[in-house]
Amino acid sequence: ETGVTQSPTHLIKTRGQQVTLRCSSQSGHNTVSWYQQALGQGPQFIFQYYREEENGRGNFPPRFSGLQFPNYSSELNVNALELDDSALYLCASSLDRGTDTQYFGPGTRLTVL
Amino acid sequence: GIQVEQSPPDLILQEGANSTLRCNFSDSVNNLQWFHQNPWGQLINLFYIPSGTKQNGRLSATTVATERYSLLYISSSQTTDSGVYFCAVPSMDSNYQLIWGAGTKLIIKP
Repeated sequence: ETGVTQSPTHLIKTRGQQVTLRCSSQSGHNTVSWYQQALGQGPQFIFQYYREEENGRGNFPPRFSGLQFPNYSSELNVNALELDDSALYLCASSLDRGTDTQYFGPGTRLTVL
Repeated sequence: GIQVEQSPPDLILQEGANSTLRCNFSDSVNNLQWFHQNPWGQLINLFYIPSGTKQNGRLSATTVATERYSLLYISSSQTTDSGVYFCAVPSMDSNYQLIWGAGTKLIIKP
C-alpha cells in the first residue's frame, strides 16, 4: 500500500478520442510523475509536476498534457488517441522534485481500439 | 544518454531458492532505485541505493558505483516474490527523469 490512488482502473477508448486519467498523491508529496508502460517493457517517463508546474518532460508529443492541483491530485490528459497509446499509465508521487524515492499508484490500463 | 541493462531477462526458481539479479549502467550515477512490479501491475520501491549495501528482510541490494553495477539478492524465495524487478537511474540529461532497465521477470514455483 503506497497511499497513491489512480482512477479509473481500466478504460477503453477509440482512436481520435480524448481521455483524462486521475491520480491522488500521498499527502505532503509535492511532486507527481507520470509514466507510460507498454506491455513487456519498463516505464517511460512522460512528465513531472512540482508544486503545480511542469518540472520536466520526456519524449512525448504535446497531445500528452497534465495538471497538478493543490490538494495533491493530478491529471494526465491525452488528446487524439492513437492505437499505440494503449498501455498501463502509472503515476508516482514523491516528496521532492527530481529523482527522489517514488511511490507508485496501481495504474490505469488504457486500451485504444 | 545513460544505458541500463538488467540480467537475466527471465528467471524461474522453486520456492525457497535464492537469486541474484544484476543491473549494469553505462555512466556514473548519484542514485539507483530497485522496484518490484507484481503480476497486477503495482510497482513498489524496494531500495534507494546510490552505493553500499542495504537489507530489508529477505531482500538486500548492493551498488558498486565505481564499477557501475548493482545487485539485488532475494533469499528463501516465496511465490509472492514473482513479478518483474526493475532498476532505474537518473538521466544524465535532466535532473527529473529516471532511466529504467528492461526488467528481470522472476517466476517462483511452489
